[in-house]
Amino acid sequence: DVKVTQSSRYLVKRTGEKVFLECVQDMDHENMFWYRQDPGLGLRLIYFSYDVKMKEKGDIPEGYSVSREKKERFSLILESASTNQTSMYLCASSRELREGQYFGPGTRLTVT
Amino acid sequence: RKEVEQDPGPFNVPEGATVAFNCTYSNSASQSFFWYRQDCRKEPKLLMSVYSSGNEDGRFTAQLNRASQYISLLIRDSKLSDSATYLCVVRGNQGGKLIFGQGTELSVKP
Repeated sequence: DVKVTQSSRYLVKRTGEKVFLECVQDMDHENMFWYRQDPGLGLRLIYFSYDVKMKEKGDIPEGYSVSREKKERFSLILESASTNQTSMYLCASSRELREGQYFGPGTRLTVT
Repeated sequence: RKEVEQDPGPFNVPEGATVAFNCTYSNSASQSFFWYRQDCRKEPKLLMSVYSSGNEDGRFTAQLNRASQYISLLIRDSKLSDSATYLCVVRGNQGGKLIFGQGTELSVKP
């Protein structure tokens, strides 16, 4: 079974703080993705990565950055958290681009 | 127009019923198609890929009509545990980016 884990299930941060969300997958997948999910807006892609040290912007990259130093780990960074970044953050991975993606349990982030 | 459109529901059905979900997508160059299921406050889980020839997995049958840009999911003999939101997902022709529909909520009642 594919296992995607995320560092926290729930996180509360203050406006202006730097926030790190970590994602690890244990299936040697090449591709990793970060999404956020909001009511009425569905899942939206923030950033993705096809390989180590490689990253591509998704649909809503503003206010976020990512890091992929190792194949199994993909980090999402909020440089200066804002209240509109309160959301459920979901990490996913896939072996090949044409295949479905497997999601981690999500991190529910609240920025106050 | 949304890239992937689904009827949001909710669909309220009794146990044992057959229920069908439909989905349309706007990009004719889309490459891959999936159905995901998402339980309340949980992550989406891959239910099945959808192939042009149609495919079946137990009580679940998925169909793809490329000409009409239409995808369907049929659930037979529905169980209480099938209650969830079903997401229609399409991969476009731009790498691995998935486009998610808004989801269709299913509630199976005893």
